[in-house]
Amino acid sequence: SQTIHQWPATLVQPVGSPLSLECTVEGTSNPNLYWYRQAAGRGLQLLFYSVGIGQISSEVPQNLSASRPQDRQFILSSKKLLLSDSGFYLCAWSGEGIGEQYFGPGTRLTVT
Amino acid sequence: KNQVEQSPQSLIILEGKNCTLQCNYTVSPFSNLRWYKQDTGRGPVSLTIMTFSENTKSNGRYTATLDADTKQSSLHITASQLSDSASYICVVHLTGANNLFFGTGTRLTVIP
Repeated sequence: SQTIHQWPATLVQPVGSPLSLECTVEGTSNPNLYWYRQAAGRGLQLLFYSVGIGQISSEVPQNLSASRPQDRQFILSSKKLLLSDSGFYLCAWSGEGIGEQYFGPGTRLTVT
Repeated sequence: KNQVEQSPQSLIILEGKNCTLQCNYTVSPFSNLRWYKQDTGRGPVSLTIMTFSENTKSNGRYTATLDADTKQSSLHITASQLSDSASYICVVHLTGANNLFFGTGTRLTVIP
């Protein structure tokens, strides 16, 4: 069966510090991968998606970047965090096309 | 403008009672509509997914309906349980694109 992992579960970082969140998927190959952010009281916002290794599409201009160094690994990064980067970050995967999406457990990021 | 609006924003019901959550969308062209359940601090979990041609779909005590003409969907929860307390998110997929439009969710609280 397929599983999706995210870490860390929670993170508190000062403004201006770097960020690296990791997402890995097991039990499937060549998944579509997604990074979402959910601000308090807001809906999910798609940040990045990837249909293959090294292929990243950005949905909104921002302080963040994403990379996919391996087929089942998706990384969300920032060189310098802003207060507005605080939120709940979710990684998701789907099969071919844009079928059912399966979400990871999420990372709660607080920028202080 | 493609939008997904959910109502009510929050809802409190007694255990054992039924409830109905609403989702109105303006996304076009429409491919499919999904309902997710998101427990606090966790990733969303899929409840139902309906294509344009489907009017209703059930998953246990959850029944989703879709009226593609009026662009409305509802999620009916029967005989609510305390574990139903969560946010319920309506998501609409735009045809032919890697675009999902998320509602901001309805926060349901079931009290004993």
